[in-house]
Amino acid sequence: DTAVSQTPKYLVTQMGNDKSIKCEQNLGHDTMYWYKQDSKKFLKIMFSYNNKELIINETVPNRFSPKSPDKAHLNLHINSLELGDSAVYFCASSRRTGGQNTGELFFGEGSRLTVL
Amino acid sequence: EDQVTQSPEALRLQEGESSSLNCSYTVSGLRGLFWYRQDPGKGPEFLFTLYSAGEEKEKERLKATLTKKESFLHITAPKPEDSATYLCAVYRAGTALIFGKGTTLSVSS
Repeated sequence: DTAVSQTPKYLVTQMGNDKSIKCEQNLGHDTMYWYKQDSKKFLKIMFSYNNKELIINETVPNRFSPKSPDKAHLNLHINSLELGDSAVYFCASSRRTGGQNTGELFFGEGSRLTVL
Repeated sequence: EDQVTQSPEALRLQEGESSSLNCSYTVSGLRGLFWYRQDPGKGPEFLFTLYSAGEEKEKERLKATLTKKESFLHITAPKPEDSATYLCAVYRAGTALIFGKGTTLSVSS
């Protein structure tokens, strides 16, 4: 039973299109994240939600809009896709201890987005 | 500004040839330093957390150590299945994990 699952695993689309990636975790964690990994394998935080509330938004273009319908789900919608958006997007979750997030993240397998 | 720098970028070893990976960091109010392993086509997988200088953690052929400015991941007698990208990350309150660019390890038999 997959702990953090993302769909789809692959997306290939044209510039200007809109796409969404979905993420679900069954670990009972309160905090979920979106990370972007570029072609050089650099993993960078985009957003973090704690119990459906946005707590981290790292200067990501407005074209990216995360949504958390409940604490087990975090989706990412991207409008007007650009070539530079091509990357692997990872969803992750973590638990909280003493009101703070632990750094032990559980990652999904990633969604590879290719913009042509 | 928080920074995490890993070296070398890539490391090739023969099976059984021990070595170390380096992670140097600059962060105020460090709440923990983390090591992850990432296999091709997979998400990163947690290995270790280190909280204070002098702390050490071990798992099979891997040993992580921490000083006030850097961490080392020592690999003793590696096997081909240890081949992966090893990521170092730091955490301070109010942020998410900040990752380094990783060291890609290849172990040949």
